[in-house]
Amino acid sequence: SAVISQKPSRDICQRGTSLTIQCQVDSQVTMMFWYRQQPGQSLTLIATANQGSEATYESGFVIDKFPISRPNLTFSTLTVSNMSPEDSSIYLCSVEEKGGKNYGYTFGSGTRLTVV
Amino acid sequence: QKEVEQNSGPLSVPEGAIASLNCTYSDRVSQSFFWYRQYSGKSPELIMSIYSNGDKEDGRFTAQLNKASQYVSLLIRDSQPSDSATYLCAVFDSGGYQKVTFGTGTKLQVIP
Repeated sequence: SAVISQKPSRDICQRGTSLTIQCQVDSQVTMMFWYRQQPGQSLTLIATANQGSEATYESGFVIDKFPISRPNLTFSTLTVSNMSPEDSSIYLCSVEEKGGKNYGYTFGSGTRLTVV
Repeated sequence: QKEVEQNSGPLSVPEGAIASLNCTYSDRVSQSFFWYRQYSGKSPELIMSIYSNGDKEDGRFTAQLNKASQYVSLLIRDSQPSDSATYLCAVFDSGGYQKVTFGTGTKLQVIP
């Protein structure tokens, strides 16, 4: 299965600042997905990132707050802008896996963000 | 609003017993279904995927799908303390709006 390197693994940030999270995949993938998982909650899709086109954002998420880059088929970044304590969460990137006995989605190790 | 419902638990089972985790979904056009295991502080890990009605077995895990009842389950045989985790059900809609929707997860505790 694909190996996804996500960094930073955690960060503590001041409100009003921005943090950029990086995801590097060891194989080329068409779509990359960015999720948020708030404490004790399930995963919420933020946006889907295709190489060469603008990301598609889910309801409640906007590009100005969560700009995404997808410069090539193995890399993507998510920026959390103008942070507030409500942005404290775990952010995860994910890719679709079509090979193997279990088709599904593989996740990076996550970024635990705390905004103070 | 497409929904995936799970009992949040915790579900407690003794070591060696069968753990049964259940999930219902609201969208009849859903076509692919996934079970993920998430240890505390870790990212979700895919256990099983299932697309057709019936059972799919992989080692100690069996996924069961009933599309008519909009119901998918995961059975864990010979449960081990290392199986203690939160299990997330996820549903993929391959129709006009391709998206994976996750349930809130069931916390499983296997008691030694």
